[in-house]
Amino acid sequence: GESVGLHLPTLSVQEGDNSIINCAYSNSASDYFIWYKQESGKGPQFIIDIRSNMDKRQGQRVTVLLNKTVKHLSLQIAATQPGDSAVYFCAEIYNQGGKLIFGQGTELSVKP
Amino acid sequence: NAGVTQTPKFRILKIGQSMTLQCTQDMNHNYMYWYRQDPGMGLKLIYYSVGAGITDKGEVPNGYNVSRSTTEDFPLRLELAAPSQTSVYFCASRSTAIGTDTQYFGPGTRLTVL
Repeated sequence: GESVGLHLPTLSVQEGDNSIINCAYSNSASDYFIWYKQESGKGPQFIIDIRSNMDKRQGQRVTVLLNKTVKHLSLQIAATQPGDSAVYFCAEIYNQGGKLIFGQGTELSVKP
Repeated sequence: NAGVTQTPKFRILKIGQSMTLQCTQDMNHNYMYWYRQDPGMGLKLIYYSVGAGITDKGEVPNGYNVSRSTTEDFPLRLELAAPSQTSVYFCASRSTAIGTDTQYFGPGTRLTVL
């Protein structure tokens, strides 16, 4: 079946460095992708999204890259801060009623 | 706007008991969702709704039921609680406004079945 998976379960970076979180998806029909941040004890929080007709989208300190050829998605966080420490999930939507499928998650730890 | 609200925040059930997890949103979103999240895992879709009166199964619907009589409310029903249903449950609603398609999550309900 369709699935969204992540390459690394944990990522540790130094404060101020850039972080890159990767994600692989398997459904070539997916047309919308979202990155979420989840802090301990809270619900997921929207970070940035990208549609399948785009390769790159930038937000504030975050950039999402989409490579449809290899079904790969990445989230880049510039100048990572301690407040960025959280679990990051990628998710995909294929528009059969907007079913949103989540990956397992990557835990980002920022060292001061 | 209060956004997406869920009640209760915590609940302990005995095996075989039933309960309803409440979810309400005040953003007039048509789409609503229920997810469960087991420790260290991602979110699994239980049920979703594309509008009042319309519901459909997600990835893990067994043991649950839903209803959507109004746009605002999307309760999740557990009829015969089992230990395997111990999890954190998140409700979400979805905006499909032009330029953004995202979901807003509630704070979650932590359920333990003993």
